[in-house]
Amino acid sequence: KQEVTQIPAALSVPEGENLVLNCSFTDSAIYNLQWFRQDPGKGLTSLLLIQSSQREQTSGRLNASLDKSSGRSTLYIAASQPGDSATYLCAVPISSGSARQLTFGSGTQLTVLP
Amino acid sequence: EAGVTQFPSHSVIEKGQTVTLRCDPISGHDNLYWYRRVMGKEIKFLLHFVKESKQDESGMPNNRFLAERTGGTYSTLKVQPAELEDSGVYFCASSPLDGGAGNTIYFGEGSWLTVV
Repeated sequence: KQEVTQIPAALSVPEGENLVLNCSFTDSAIYNLQWFRQDPGKGLTSLLLIQSSQREQTSGRLNASLDKSSGRSTLYIAASQPGDSATYLCAVPISSGSARQLTFGSGTQLTVLP
Repeated sequence: EAGVTQFPSHSVIEKGQTVTLRCDPISGHDNLYWYRRVMGKEIKFLLHFVKESKQDESGMPNNRFLAERTGGTYSTLKVQPAELEDSGVYFCASSPLDGGAGNTIYFGEGSWLTVV
């Protein structure tokens, strides 16, 4: 059974800092890994999707890496801004043909202080 | 292009009542999923439709939950009768039908259900 763990559960940083969020998963046989952002009372916004054959993906100030062999992914946020405050979730599909059942971590709640 | 839309956004019902949640996926997306997050827990998979067919309903908690997707367009999730532990946020998501693993799954804003 796939289990996804995110550390830390909460993080508070001053504006401008670079930061790293961590995600680990127990079953390395994954199709891909997806990072989401959730603002309070809102839905999930997809940030980055990394294919199993890739090692990293970048979008603006965000960079996600994937190390399948060690069962880890990191989300790097450069030059953090108060608008980055949200809960960040990572998720991996349970590999089963074309199924897209995602297993989520419990998230990291990020607060960027102005 | 409209994203995944869900209705209602918030609902408060009494224990024993029935609630029906609706999801309109992104146009053209054959995959439709329901997930939920109950208080203090991770987001959990409920079920997966491919067009109008249930591909995987292994996450449905019990027979008080019924999901349908008639015609392969929008989907409904009915909870009958609702119990206190059903309170939480119910997310719908969709993605295109593909043969690989490269497609992002898009989530709606969620339907926030409170059973009192």
